[in-house]
Amino acid sequence: NAGVTQTPKFQVLKTGQSMTLQCAQDMNHEYMSWYRQDPGMGLRLIHYSVGAGITDQGEVPNGYNVSRSTTEDFPLRLLSAAPSQTSVYFCASSYYQGAYGYTFGSGTRLTVV
Amino acid sequence: GQQVMQIPQYQHVQEGEDFTTYCNSSTTLSNIQWYKQRPGGHPVFLIQLVKSGEVKKQKRLTFQFGEAKKNSSLHITATQTTDVGTYFCAGWENTGTASKLTFGTGTRLQVTL
Repeated sequence: NAGVTQTPKFQVLKTGQSMTLQCAQDMNHEYMSWYRQDPGMGLRLIHYSVGAGITDQGEVPNGYNVSRSTTEDFPLRLLSAAPSQTSVYFCASSYYQGAYGYTFGSGTRLTVV
Repeated sequence: GQQVMQIPQYQHVQEGEDFTTYCNSSTTLSNIQWYKQRPGGHPVFLIQLVKSGEVKKQKRLTFQFGEAKKNSSLHITATQTTDVGTYFCAGWENTGTASKLTFGTGTRLQVTL
């Protein structure tokens, strides 16, 4: 089992550029989510999905879009990158939101210059 | 909104000493989860506590859920260098109309010989 796979592992963007962070899981989990991790801030929820075709905003959704066309994939799109979006991004999945432990991907370290 | 606070933010111990981190929620929780993140790594699910007053053990790690289901603790007996990392609690609040898993800011543990 691959678990949760995130690509790329590292990315440098220029301000204003757009890009998509990929997340795929092979555990048939219904719930998927995106977090960003900044020093001293813990993990903050960006967007989440409780199933294919259903997405909702988390704590810090501005500047990000998501879609969930399949159970396996949950890409995160940065619309117009800003230096404030420099962070480590984690994708996580679970059988059910909050009621089971989350499986995290290995993360994408994003720098916006 | 729900807030989950963790203390201390950082602790440095000598190998063999005990370590405890505390987690406090502003609201009553349905369950609490604990995660460990090694330096440069991703969060890894350790355990979930559901019942009021529940105590669970994993080798040298003891997890406790408070009677009021608003606080939790993780105690490590006789720390080892392999225990180095950041420990996060995450509180799940399910009110029926809204549900949310909120991560604490984490406690970073450093263990030296």
